[in-house]
Amino acid sequence: EVQLVESGGALVQPGGSLRLSCAASGFSFRGYAMSWVRQPPGKGLEWVSTISGSGGTTFYSHSVKGRFTISRDTSKNTLSLQMNSLRADDTALYYCAKGDGYNLWRPIDYWGQGTLVTVSS
Amino acid sequence: QSALTQPASVSGSPGQSITISCTGTSSDVGGYNYVSWYQQHPGKAPKLVIYDVSNRPSGVSPRFSGSKSGNTASLTISGLQAEDEADYSCSSYTSSATVVFGGGTKLTVL
Repeated sequence: EVQLVESGGALVQPGGSLRLSCAASGFSFRGYAMSWVRQPPGKGLEWVSTISGSGGTTFYSHSVKGRFTISRDTSKNTLSLQMNSLRADDTALYYCAKGDGYNLWRPIDYWGQGTLVTVSS
Repeated sequence: QSALTQPASVSGSPGQSITISCTGTSSDVGGYNYVSWYQQHPGKAPKLVIYDVSNRPSGVSPRFSGSKSGNTASLTISGLQAEDEADYSCSSYTSSATVVFGGGTKLTVL
């Protein structure tokens, strides 16, 4: 059974940093692209970032490029998102998500339950 | 990258069919057959119901179907059931090597 368990969400001040983690199990981690998708309270889904199966290629939305860094540790089956220079509009539930293939354009077939990031002073 | 355009809400009675549209541009929906649809019940994680425009994942009811014409993709749910009441979001791969979601559509089963 595929399981994705996020952690690391917290209340952080504007300009601060936070690192999210996602523990993956139940599938061959290195074979699939992994993504972070966020959902602001009461709003729609927003793609944040994707990393290829090998970890060699990363993709970012325009709104987070240069501030967020996605990475994966295949030895620990863990996906991470380092978030710097946080702003109020980064406030959202952050989902860890598994692609159904190696590349960015593959759909997301499994989602975690999300971890809440709140940026406020 | 602007979000794909979806109606804010649609509704239908049990047994009826409804269609939700998802409009983009030639740089996303119109340019690739990489449109997906997700169902999300309140307080729950999204669930994939359609991928690559018209393919259904294993276990998804055949009442769900997808199509595309030009820059607009559509999700049709036939034989509406109470359990179909949820938010539905489309997504597409883009020419900028990003992914874009629609704003989401709230489906109400009357």
